[in-house]
Order: sequence, then C-alpha cells, then structure tokens
Amino acid sequence: EPEVTQTPSHQVTQMGQEVILRCVPISNHLYFYWYRQILGQKVEFLVSFYNNEISEKSEIFDDQFSVERPDGSNFTLKIRSTKLEDSAMYFCASSGDRVIRAFFGQGTRLTVV
Amino acid sequence: SQQGEEDPQALSIQEGENATMNCSYKTSINNLQWYRQNSGRGLVHLILIRSNEREKHSGRLRVTLDTSKKSSSLLITASRAADTASYFCATDSGNQFYFGTGTSLTVIP
Repeated sequence: EPEVTQTPSHQVTQMGQEVILRCVPISNHLYFYWYRQILGQKVEFLVSFYNNEISEKSEIFDDQFSVERPDGSNFTLKIRSTKLEDSAMYFCASSGDRVIRAFFGQGTRLTVV
Repeated sequence: SQQGEEDPQALSIQEGENATMNCSYKTSINNLQWYRQNSGRGLVHLILIRSNEREKHSGRLRVTLDTSKKSSSLLITASRAADTASYFCATDSGNQFYFGTGTSLTVIP
C-alpha cells in the first residue's frame, strides 16, 4: 500500500527555535493536511492545502505556522518560534480526493524544551 | 463543532469477546471513517463508510452508520490482545476531517 513518509520521527528543539517538519505525500495525491496530537489528547486539525495554497486552517494555525510544497513532492510544516505547548505528535496526511480516505504518516514527535 | 464523539472513552474486555465503540456527530457528512492508533504511533485507516451506506464489513470489523441519528458504531469481533489501541472516528466536512476524542480499547489476554 502507498505510504506517506514523515521525517524526522522525533525532534527535540529549544524554545524559540524554528523547526521544519517534513512530509512526502503519496505521489498522485492532491490534498494535503497537517494534524497534531498533544499527548493524551485528541487529534486536532491544523491546516489543509490544495492547489498550492491553504484551503482551510484552524485557530491553532497562527502566524507562527506556515506550510509549503517547495518542490512538488515534499510538504513541510514550519513553526517559526517554538513554544513549550507546541510539543506534540504532528501527523501529515494526503488524499487523492477530498472525500476519499486520507493516508496518514507515522508522525513526527516534537519535543520543545 | 462537527467533531465526532466516541463512547465509551475507555473499554476493557477479555480476549475473544466483541468490542463495540460508538461515534456521534453533529452535522451532515459525506463519509465517516474509523482509524486506529497504537500508543504513540501513527493513525491507521480501518474502514470508510459513505453516507448512503448503512453497514460495511472488513475482516473482523463491522461498521454501521445511521445518518438519521448521526451515529456510527464499530464492532470488532473475536478480539485479540493485538487489538489494544485507541480508535477514532473521523467525519469529513469542507476541506478537513474532524476527529473524535477516541475510545481506548484494552483487550486482556
């Protein structure tokens, strides 16, 4: 089965530093998503991306966050100045169609110290 | 909020028993999906049921959907210790999927 790949699997960063989380969606997919899950809490939507632009974002996705599809294969999430509360598992997902199942990556565990 | 809400929040059963988890949501949907998450790991898609379907089977999984009640259930038959995980329902709305808070299933060997 095709896979969404996320790197790194675990990243530790100091508060205030910038981090970039990387994702390689499935090659023919058109819709891309980032979610996060704070330990012990529910999965939360961050942003969706289609046709090279953000199609929807949640209130969590403030000015500290940005997404990019720099080269047609990678899909990145950047957090400009990390805070302790950004510590979470971040999941990337892609789908070929909005109403078809989404394929999720294994996640990047971000720890902000 | 259109978020799905699962119940129970936690379920503990003996191996071999059936496990039933329920999900309720608030607005109309195109489809509803169930995902599984082992502790600290990624989400794994289990099954998708469209709004015009009432029941779907996949191996030991059976999903029902009642759009009039805005609810779905996931039944795992003949549970195994390896089924121990969190199970989430997700509904699609606009450009995103809404996830519920999940049911934590423990299957005791």
